[in-house]
Amino acid sequence: AQSVTQPDIHITVSEGASLELRCNYSYGATPYLFWYVQSPGQGLQLLLKYFSGDTLVQGIKGFEAEFKRSQSSFNLRKPSVHWSDAAEYFCAVGLYNQGGKLIFGQGTELSVKP
Amino acid sequence: DTEVTQTPKHLVMGMTNKKSLKCEQHMGHRAMYWYKQKAKKPPELMFVYSYEKLSINESVPSRFSPECPNSSLLNLHLHALQPEDSALYLCASSQVPPGAGETYFGPGTRLLVL
Repeated sequence: AQSVTQPDIHITVSEGASLELRCNYSYGATPYLFWYVQSPGQGLQLLLKYFSGDTLVQGIKGFEAEFKRSQSSFNLRKPSVHWSDAAEYFCAVGLYNQGGKLIFGQGTELSVKP
Repeated sequence: DTEVTQTPKHLVMGMTNKKSLKCEQHMGHRAMYWYKQKAKKPPELMFVYSYEKLSINESVPSRFSPECPNSSLLNLHLHALQPEDSALYLCASSQVPPGAGETYFGPGTRLLVL
């Protein structure tokens, strides 16, 4: 069965420090992978996506992610975190043989220390 | 414009009430979705509409009734809800798979059932 695992429930980093959020997926075919961010009480904003091609993808707000097929991973990175990056981050797999359904990981809550 | 709009932002209803949630997008997307998100949990798919026809119902109770009047609008009719139905209801849209495309989410309707 398809699944997404985000091993870290909560991460705290200092402002200006680098960030890496982990995501592992289980999917039989070539995955469509996404990272979304959700601020409290808000909807989900798409940060970046991977469909095919270059395994290092750039997104909005200075985020990037790297697809590693051998490790079934799609980790999100940012070189320097800003206080406004504090939010919930969700990794997701798109099931395009199931109507475009997204399967989400449990989310990682990011806190940023001044 | 990558905006999905939802009304109302907040809704409080009793268990005998009938209410409707509304969603609109003007991106030309022909796939639209309803997701339900409980507090501190990831979104979970409820329904998928493809070309204005219901294509996926994730075994959602009949007290939730979706409707897609045209290619830009999606409604969710609510009747005789239970307190455990209190959640954030998210609308989303995308190109119809397998035309791979991003899924965009609205800000959600926060529903409280008393």
